[in-house]
This record gives sequence, C-alpha cells and structure tokens, in this order.
Amino acid sequence: ETGVTQTPRHLVMGMTNKKSLKCEQHLGHNAMYWYKQSAKKPLELMFVYSLEERVENNSVPSRFSPECPNSSHLFLHLHTLQPEDSALYLCASSQGLLTRGEQYFGPGTRLTVT
Amino acid sequence: RKEVEQDPGPFNVPEGATVAFNCTYSNSASQSFFWYRQDCRKEPKLLMSVYSSGNEDGRFTAQLNRASQYISLLIRDSKLSDSATYLCVVNPINTGGFKTIFGAGTRLFVKA
Repeated sequence: ETGVTQTPRHLVMGMTNKKSLKCEQHLGHNAMYWYKQSAKKPLELMFVYSLEERVENNSVPSRFSPECPNSSHLFLHLHTLQPEDSALYLCASSQGLLTRGEQYFGPGTRLTVT
Repeated sequence: RKEVEQDPGPFNVPEGATVAFNCTYSNSASQSFFWYRQDCRKEPKLLMSVYSSGNEDGRFTAQLNRASQYISLLIRDSKLSDSATYLCVVNPINTGGFKTIFGAGTRLFVKA
C-alpha cells in the first residue's frame, strides 16, 4: 500500500476520445507530480504542483491538461492523443518541493492510444 | 550529453555476490541524489538518499563523488529479491524550476 492511488489502472482510448486520469494521495503531502514512462526510456517529468499551483510544465503538448483541485487530488485530462502517447502514466507526491527527491508513486495508469 | 546516465545492464549475478552500479550526472551544481528501485511492471520506490558522506542501509551502501560527478550503489550479499531495475535520481539546482531527473535505470538479475 503506497498511499498514492491511481485510476483507472488500464485505459484504451481512440485518438478522438477525451478521458481523465485520477490520482489521490493519502499521505498529507503538498507536492504532486505527473510522469510519463515509455518502454526503455527514463521517467519523463510532465507537471509539478505545489500547494495546488503548477510550478513546472516540462514542455508537454497541450493535449495533456493537468488539474489540481486540492493538495490530495491530481487529474490529467487527455484529448486527441496520438499513438506515441501510449505509455505508463505515473503520479507521485512528496512532502514538499524541497524534498522532491523523496517521492511516493502510485501504481500508474497504463494507457494505450489506438 | 544526457543529464543523468546509467549503465543499462543487465547485470546477472549469483546469490551472495556483491554488485555495484554507477550513475553519472552532468550538472555540477546538482543538489541532491537518490536511488530508487522499480520491479517489473510496478511503480518506482525510494530505496535510499545519497549523502555527501556516504550512507549505508543494511546490505546497501550509497556514495557520492562530487569531483567526478557520479553516485554509486553497492549491494552486498545479493538476494533473489534484489532483482529489479535501479534508478538514479538527481535534483539539479534550477532557477525557477523544480525538476527531478531520473536515469533510465540499471537492470539487475540475481540468480539462484
């Protein structure tokens, strides 16, 4: 039990669909992150939120839209994705940005774009 | 040059062996360093932080060499359960950014 949950665990969507990934952390942390992990590539940091404010957007295409309504929840809204967006999307949290090296990850959503 | 580089392996070692991984980083002003492990089809989990003076946690020892810009992880008396991918993580000092940079990982297989 990691304290960070993600839903759904698996998602298959067409390029014209709109879907959302959800992340919830039960650790009392105030920084949250979205990562993309593709096969044989390093984790790619997508977005960083601290106290519900976005503090990092790592040149992510606009077809990915994050939302952080409170410090426990993080969403990633997806629309008009491309097949190369198929990957494992991981959410993580940390106590704060100063301790951002000590992150707790959720199990991920495995996304397939058809 | 990549910001963080690791030997992808795989390292195949017998149980009981000692194995070491290195990770090099390019930003000399990097601030903090960590090792994570990731099991197959699972999420990464923090293994240990890397302190300037080096640190040990049971069979695991982590060291930092700032002059040569690398960190290392030593695993003694390897167990079958140590089989995983080990990820090196670096927090560079950025102005106006909060990046955490993961290496691509080193795969370890411990055989009976």
